[in-house]
Amino acid sequence: EVQLVESGGGLVKPGGSLRLSCAASGFTFSSYSMSWVRQAPGKGLEWVAWISPSSTYIHYADSVKGRFTISRDSAKNSLYLQMNSLRAEDTAVYYCVRLESGGSLAAVLDYWGQGTLVTVSS
Amino acid sequence: SYELTQPPSVSVSPGQTASITCSGDKLGNKYTCWYQQKPGQSPVLVIYQDTKRPSGIPERFSGSSSGNTATLTISGTQAMDEADYYCQAWDSSAGVFGGGTKLTVL
Repeated sequence: EVQLVESGGGLVKPGGSLRLSCAASGFTFSSYSMSWVRQAPGKGLEWVAWISPSSTYIHYADSVKGRFTISRDSAKNSLYLQMNSLRAEDTAVYYCVRLESGGSLAAVLDYWGQGTLVTVSS
Repeated sequence: SYELTQPPSVSVSPGQTASITCSGDKLGNKYTCWYQQKPGQSPVLVIYQDTKRPSGIPERFSGSSSGNTATLTISGTQAMDEADYYCQAWDSSAGVFGGGTKLTVL
């Protein structure tokens, strides 16, 4: 069974930093692209970033480019999101998502974690 | 940047057919996925690559896409189908979501 468990969320002041982690199990982590998707309270889904299996390809949404860094450690079956220069508008639930066929138009966000809440407030 | 447009809300009576549209420039040239999200839960993939259903998704869920519009159709809608539905596609390696449609079954 595919499981994705996020951690690291919490309350942070504007301008601060936070690192999210996602522990993956139930599939061959090193074979799949991975992605982060977020959802502000009461709002819709927003794609944040994705990373290819070997970290060769990485793409970010314009809204986080230059502030967020996605990375992975296949030895630990883990995905990360380093978030710097946080703003109030980054407040959201952040989901770790497995990405089938990342980089192609046929890519699919097929399995989602339960999410971790990040609140940016003074 | 690429945009996907969905109606904010759709209502349907139990047992009837619900259709939720998603519009985007030449969307038919891309693949569309659909996600269902119930209150307090994570999104669940219900349709991928325009028309395919993941295992475990009921047959009453179907998808189509042509021109500038993709459509999620729920036949014989049940009360349990009441949820928010999001369309999603990829444009230049960036993920794009529609704004979401709240499906009400009444």
